[in-house]
Amino acid sequence: DAKTTQPNSMESNEEEPVHLPCNHSTISGTDYIHWYRQLPSQGPEYVIHGLTSNVNNRMASLAIAEDRKSSTLILHRATLRDAAVYYCILRSTTSGTYKYIFGTGTRLKVLA
Amino acid sequence: ETGVTQSPTHLIKTRGQQVTLRCSSQSGHNTVSWYQQALGQGPQFIFQYYREEENGRGNFPPRFSGLQFPNYSSELNVNALELDDSALYLCASSSGVNTGELFFGEGSRLTVL
Repeated sequence: DAKTTQPNSMESNEEEPVHLPCNHSTISGTDYIHWYRQLPSQGPEYVIHGLTSNVNNRMASLAIAEDRKSSTLILHRATLRDAAVYYCILRSTTSGTYKYIFGTGTRLKVLA
Repeated sequence: ETGVTQSPTHLIKTRGQQVTLRCSSQSGHNTVSWYQQALGQGPQFIFQYYREEENGRGNFPPRFSGLQFPNYSSELNVNALELDDSALYLCASSSGVNTGELFFGEGSRLTVL
């Protein structure tokens, strides 16, 4: 199975951009890259996903390297509510079956 | 529109027992997946059901089994419980297998003594 690697923790100042990296060097051509975040005592919450092109939505942007071996989740202006564990996930597809491979997550701390 | 609900929220079992966890998917969603999250770890994919058929499985032994019902709700069954099965079990639903967004419940916390 492909694997994702993320830093254990990162810090950011409030209202500054945050770049959360993820390495997935063994990604295969049909694997989608997903990002979710998890607040304490809650289930994960969808942030963004993509395959090859960079993606933007109201929450964040996803920058995918040209070789797809890494990606970066970008929060444009961090707020205190963005403090959470961020997971980079690969969704792999083989013969019509699916797997979700979670990384270990990056705990983001936002400083006021 | 109700979200994903899971029951029970907490339960305690002893080693060797069996447990059934339940998940009601979000209205209109036909796909359900289950995850195990040990304390301080990321979720681990157990399996996914689409229209009552399992269509994806992670690296979990056969004593982890599931069902999806015609109303798309789902059950996770774990037989012969082991101490290492103590974890938060999360259920997520989506509107199809190819959709990007999973909607997670808040989980069922299982403690095995």
